[in-house]
Amino acid sequence: AQSVTQPDIHITVSEGASLELRCNYSYGATPYLFWYVQSPGQGLQLLLKYFSGDTLVQGIKGFEAEFKRSQSSFNLRKPSVHWSDAAEYFCAVWVWAAGNKLTFGGGTRVLVKP
Amino acid sequence: GAGVSQSPSNKVTEKGKDVELRCDPISGHTALYWYRQSLGQGLEFLIYFQGNSAPDKSGLPSDRFSAERTGGSVSTLTIQRTQQEDSAVYLCASSLSGSFNEKLFFGSGTQLSVL
Repeated sequence: AQSVTQPDIHITVSEGASLELRCNYSYGATPYLFWYVQSPGQGLQLLLKYFSGDTLVQGIKGFEAEFKRSQSSFNLRKPSVHWSDAAEYFCAVWVWAAGNKLTFGGGTRVLVKP
Repeated sequence: GAGVSQSPSNKVTEKGKDVELRCDPISGHTALYWYRQSLGQGLEFLIYFQGNSAPDKSGLPSDRFSAERTGGSVSTLTIQRTQQEDSAVYLCASSLSGSFNEKLFFGSGTQLSVL
């Protein structure tokens, strides 16, 4: 079945350390790819998106993501995590064959240690 | 409005009762989505409205779930004969025209608890 997988349910990282969140998709065609963040008490916010071109995309809040076609992955990274990055992160894909809607992964909850 | 507004923010109901959840999208946005976020689960697509087109209901989990969108603006998600497994956060989102390259704007959600 077509799907979006975020293998890590929880990740704990120390403040100042680097962060990488994994996302894999299983669609025949290259989908349009997104990362959203859901901070406590706030709605989901778009971090970044990839449609085509340069496979390394920059987003807000210092995040970046790299699309790797060979691995069907779109991993999110941040070089140095801040306490305010504690949130739940969702990878999402948009595939024309699946209708005009985003399909989300299960999410990864990030905890930041002082 | 300034953002997507959902009401109520919290709803506690008894098993078997009907509930209505409301979504007021950003003014001018023609695309409106409902998602469900259960504890420990990702966002599950429920239904999508785009302008005057027939809605995409492919994500509704059972015939107890229905939604309508009046006048191309406000939407109501109705759950009949609620069950405990319906407990979740119901999120509404809107975008300008439903195109893939548009950002979805999400509301803060309605936390539904079925006792």
